[in-house]
Amino acid sequence: DQQVKQNSPSLSVQEGRISILNCDYTNSMFDYFLWYKKYPAEGPTFLISISSIKDKNEDGRFTVFLNKSAKHLSLHIVPSQPGDSAVYFCAARGRFSGSARQLTFGSGTQLTVLP
Amino acid sequence: DTGVSQDPRHKITKRGQNVTFRCDPISEHNRLYWYRQTLGQGPEFLTYFQNEAQLEKSRLLSDRFSAERPKGSFSTLEIQRTEQGDSAMYLCAREIGANTGELFFGEGSRLTVL
Repeated sequence: DQQVKQNSPSLSVQEGRISILNCDYTNSMFDYFLWYKKYPAEGPTFLISISSIKDKNEDGRFTVFLNKSAKHLSLHIVPSQPGDSAVYFCAARGRFSGSARQLTFGSGTQLTVLP
Repeated sequence: DTGVSQDPRHKITKRGQNVTFRCDPISEHNRLYWYRQTLGQGPEFLTYFQNEAQLEKSRLLSDRFSAERPKGSFSTLEIQRTEQGDSAMYLCAREIGANTGELFFGEGSRLTVL
């Protein structure tokens, strides 16, 4: 049962344009949503997060949008830079007892920013 | 630098052998996590510690897996009688957000079981 889904395995964007990465979830008990970036041979790096009580959080070039009614979140990167090329994981944390602290990850989207 | 060191970075072993991975967080963070990542998938939760207490274990953690954090600082993850399906990246993380789930991951230990 995949509770967090990233349906696009890859995305290519021209440098300077906007990158939009999408993520869907099924469990309404998630209370925090996070985005991680991963380069080859490295561990995931935390990028940005959003609480379920908000619908937008912005940090520099990165903005995360949350649509709770659609159970959908997205990460916008603008302007995109070649150094942004990496695998991006969406993750969610639940409020349900017994697993309140674990993160559930999507399968990732490979972003390639073309110069 | 995420403040989490993992050792070894890469381990190649034959099926049936035991392997142990070590995780050293930069400071004695209360919460320490182990995740596993296979090719084409996101990290999957294995277990987590609050200080030296192991508070939760995933159903992915079979009887062949054991994790410890004896003094509430470093942690070890041992896999006994390895199987080819154990081949994966094993990631350790410390929690940085007080209540937000933000984790700092180490660079991981890649296990290849032949």
